[in-house]
Amino acid sequence: NAGVTQTPKFRVLKTGQSMTLLCAQDMNHEYMYWYRQDPGMGLRLIHYSVGEGTTAKGEVPDGYNVSRLKKQNFLLGLESAAPSQTSVYFCASSYDPSSYNEQFFGPGTRLTVL
Amino acid sequence: AQSVSQHNHHVILSEAASLELGCNYSYGGTVNLFWYVQYPGQHLQLLLKYFSGDPLVKGIKGFEAEFIKSKFSFNLRKPSVQWSDTAEYFCAVNSMIKAAGNKLTFGGGTRVLVKP
Repeated sequence: NAGVTQTPKFRVLKTGQSMTLLCAQDMNHEYMYWYRQDPGMGLRLIHYSVGEGTTAKGEVPDGYNVSRLKKQNFLLGLESAAPSQTSVYFCASSYDPSSYNEQFFGPGTRLTVL
Repeated sequence: AQSVSQHNHHVILSEAASLELGCNYSYGGTVNLFWYVQYPGQHLQLLLKYFSGDPLVKGIKGFEAEFIKSKFSFNLRKPSVQWSDTAEYFCAVNSMIKAAGNKLTFGGGTRVLVKP
């Protein structure tokens, strides 16, 4: 099993450009998450999904959109990138039943917005 | 809303020293508690977790954590650190509300540097 994979690993954007980050998991997990990691702030939840075709807002959703068209994929989109979105983005997934909800993380995408 | 605070942002130790990282959370209901580790340039990995039962939890690489419900704390410990323990450590809490999507709330992280 590859676990949780993310593409791309690195990206540099100019302000106003758009891009999509792809997260894929091969563990048949129901729940998927997108976080951003900034120094001293830990990981903050952007959006999450509790199943195929569903999405919900997390702690810091502004400026991002997501889609979960297939159970194994969770896409994070930036429609008009801003320098404040420079960060490291992590995708995670977890299996439900709710009594066992460890999250498994991908390797991260380092995004710089100039 | 739940929150997690980690008391130390940076810790510098020598090899063989003991390590204790503090974590406090604010949430009145039943919680699951986690410690994740992020080695330089790598993704987060689970160190240990507490769901129920014995409040002293043992994890990988000699780490353990103690859940003290009355203090809303879940401190991480290791009796004798190694240079390879240099990493950033994150405490996280899950409120066990299925409808909330099993979301984790993370602390701000503690960077640990172990000097050889």
